[in-house]
Amino acid sequence: DAKTTQPNSMESNEEEPVHLPCNHSTISGTDYIHWYRQLPSQGPEYVIHGLTSNVNNRMASLAIAEDRKSSTLILHRATLRDAAVYYCILRDSRDDKIIFGKGTRLHILP
Amino acid sequence: ETGVTQSPTHLIKTRGQQVTLRCSSQSGHNTVSWYQQALGQGPQFIFQYYREEENGRGNFPPRFSGLQFPNYSSELNVNALELDDSALYLCASSQQGAGYNEQFFGPGTRLTVL
Repeated sequence: DAKTTQPNSMESNEEEPVHLPCNHSTISGTDYIHWYRQLPSQGPEYVIHGLTSNVNNRMASLAIAEDRKSSTLILHRATLRDAAVYYCILRDSRDDKIIFGKGTRLHILP
Repeated sequence: ETGVTQSPTHLIKTRGQQVTLRCSSQSGHNTVSWYQQALGQGPQFIFQYYREEENGRGNFPPRFSGLQFPNYSSELNVNALELDDSALYLCASSQQGAGYNEQFFGPGTRLTVL
């Protein structure tokens, strides 16, 4: 079973920041926090991952709570192309498979 | 660098038939994972192949089987198709043994069972 909890859907206005929350209260010490997104009619694509420290890349930022029981994916300036389902996933560093939940469907309003 | 490709893109079968789906992994990747995604749901892990051996399996019956070839491409076979097998089938490739191994997904094969 998925070990994360996310809102079913969220809305945001174009060109504004978006904060996508994820709760993972049962996270273990070897679990990495991953985010994937799935654009319409495409396979999932990797967004970002982290273990303890906040992470930034060209797509997004990942803010991880100090107790690691929650995290937030931040899209700094949403565009219409960011409309997708965003999956927050815990992945053991020793395990290669991904257990997806239902994710958050992000709607971007023009 | 060539990405993950899957064939066919769409397929229609009838109950009881057998189907084979194909996946070509990204250049340099030695691991292929297969997922089933029903409409409105997240992908569900079927199994993974690493260096031609099954390396982990999800909660799917034995009529779901696979192969990985020496060039690391892979096939997913489903026997005795059921209506509930209608779904998007995704494969993802990665490189194990090289530190963090991000999975790269293909566009999927849409299977409809009538």
